[in-house]
Amino acid sequence: AQKITQTQPGMFVQEKEAVTLDCTYDTSDPSYGLFWYKQPSSGEMIFLIYQGSYDQQNATEGRYSLNFQKARKSANLVISASQLGDSAMYFCAMRETNQAGTALIFGKGTTLSVSS
Amino acid sequence: DSGVTQTPKHLITATGQRVTLRCSPRSGDLSVYWYQQSLDQGLQFLIQYYNGEERAKGNILERFSAQQFPDLHSELNLSSLELGDSALYFCASSPPRQLAGGPGQFFGPGTRLTVL
Repeated sequence: AQKITQTQPGMFVQEKEAVTLDCTYDTSDPSYGLFWYKQPSSGEMIFLIYQGSYDQQNATEGRYSLNFQKARKSANLVISASQLGDSAMYFCAMRETNQAGTALIFGKGTTLSVSS
Repeated sequence: DSGVTQTPKHLITATGQRVTLRCSPRSGDLSVYWYQQSLDQGLQFLIQYYNGEERAKGNILERFSAQQFPDLHSELNLSSLELGDSALYFCASSPPRQLAGGPGQFFGPGTRLTVL
């Protein structure tokens, strides 16, 4: 069964607008971590934001925020004030057990295109 | 710069050949993970080592093997290469504890393998 689902293969947004990238997950573990990574065309994986399953508040990091809805098992990434440099592939990932030494499970990614 | 290094950046080889990919984790990180990113399979976890010992296995083929050396660098060996092994191979390392608000894992720049 797919553990991380990103249903949007591609998203398009205009500069300065906000965009939400969807992510749902499936786990029976009460302790887990959720991550978003950005992969530009150059290929490197750039960490954006982290949310622990027990964190009470939604994580924010600059223009990135994570809309964490535990009951719905969703962890959507919100990018405010989009910039041309935000054009990239975005991956949602989960770490079950939420221990540092556990591998990440990735979704298939969403390609974001920002236009001027 | 994540602090994780991978060599080589690019590798072009022929079917049936064997290659070795190398990874040096961040200073102080004991865990090393290998991931494969291909167009059809997405980002998949292959294998994890912790302080020289195999810790977890993902979707790693029998033709692939890895090891972690006493200095903590790791090598991923791919043999009897097939066209479908063409992919971007990432190495990642993780600290012993989740950093507050930080990435679960730090990714290297990747090795792009092309099998002709």
